[in-house]
Amino acid sequence: DIQMTQSPSSLSASVGDRVTISCRTSQNINIYVNWYQQIPGKAPKLLIYAASSLQSGVPSRFSGSGSGTDFTLTISSLQPDDFATYYCQQSDSTPYTFGQGTKVEIK
Amino acid sequence: QVQLQESGPGLVKPSETLSLTCTVSGGYISSGSYYWNWIRQPPGKGLEWIGYISYDGSTNYNPSLKSRVIISMDRSKNQFSLNLSSVTAADTAVYYCAREYINSWFGYWGQGTLLTVSS
Repeated sequence: DIQMTQSPSSLSASVGDRVTISCRTSQNINIYVNWYQQIPGKAPKLLIYAASSLQSGVPSRFSGSGSGTDFTLTISSLQPDDFATYYCQQSDSTPYTFGQGTKVEIK
Repeated sequence: QVQLQESGPGLVKPSETLSLTCTVSGGYISSGSYYWNWIRQPPGKGLEWIGYISYDGSTNYNPSLKSRVIISMDRSKNQFSLNLSSVTAADTAVYYCAREYINSWFGYWGQGTLLTVSS
């Protein structure tokens, strides 16, 4: 199985801050990484697919980058609605696997 | 707009079989290009992929659960289902169904249903 390691596990930030979340994979998976946002009690929501493509309807302050084994999700200016848990996921091969999540909390 | 809705018993006894159904609206499960997935999340924990059934009925399961999982579809009802046998407390989780564009990403999710395993 492809292991997905996210860092940090949690972070505290203020509205307006730039936030960066990292995801490292255990093998080269080209650009087959997706990012999801999960608000407590809700289903995950797709933000970024294929490493850097913004899902329709997602604000442009979200961006993704990377290829191979190292990937990054960036929120350029954190907004109140962005306090949530973020997961990376690989779609290179089954079994599909997710990172352990990064919880973004209010400072 | 595609919508997915999970349904199930809420509570299952240990050693029994868990059965959940996902009803799809706004699209046909037998149309091409999509896989129909089950994903679960134990309380306070991360996400685990269970498996999918393809538009053509072929299946792919997580090896960690493969011996206990069956995913099937009912085209006439536009539904797909998850059966997980010999459940234990470790199977307590919110279960999500999700649509995947083939070998890509989970673009649409159900709202999730909590399944508790307890006697």
